[in-house]
Amino acid sequence: GIQVEQSPPDLILQEGANSTLRCNFSDSVNNLQWFHQNPWGQLINLFYIPSGTKQNGRLSATTVATERYSLLYISSSQTTDSGVYFCAVEDFGNEKLTFGTGTRLTIIP
Amino acid sequence: DAGVIQSPRHEVTEMGQEVTLRCKPISGHDYLFWYRQTMMRGLELLIYFNNNVPIDDSGMPEDRFSAKMPNASFSTLKIQPSEPRDSAVYFCASSLAFGGWDFGPGTRLLVL
Repeated sequence: GIQVEQSPPDLILQEGANSTLRCNFSDSVNNLQWFHQNPWGQLINLFYIPSGTKQNGRLSATTVATERYSLLYISSSQTTDSGVYFCAVEDFGNEKLTFGTGTRLTIIP
Repeated sequence: DAGVIQSPRHEVTEMGQEVTLRCKPISGHDYLFWYRQTMMRGLELLIYFNNNVPIDDSGMPEDRFSAKMPNASFSTLKIQPSEPRDSAVYFCASSLAFGGWDFGPGTRLLVL
């Protein structure tokens, strides 16, 4: 099956810093999503982004499908951004999402 | 829409007991998925439905697990008999074809 790798596995930043999270996948995908799992365990849908670039406030994401990677940018980090960020992909002909192992982000005040 | 609704939010039971987890997907979504999250295995797909029909149950760990979707607005995941290794957070998610996925808040299950 398709492989999804995320980097870095852990990231600790001061409040106000910017960060870039990366997701590499091993095959062509029909769908790619970024999720934030907050400290209470809730999985929040950030972006549905099979290709191109999207922005939502301080967050933006870019997927380059031909090169099989996606990036999530977080600017001016806040403590509420802490949690685990997951990339998940759906490969063609297979409607299920395969999750990466996540990036654990900790924002220090 | 209230989003994907799961119940109960927390469940503590003893080994050998039957556990039933419930999910109400977002109205109009035609796909429903059950995922399990553990520290050791991360998020893994158990089973998914399309238009109430089970499509892929290859992730169901063993015969003790079963899932049903009797109509478009309700699904259950049942574990009988439960074992301590079933302790995990169980998520339900729904989606449209070629659309984004939405996850419920999860059910945190502890089997003693």
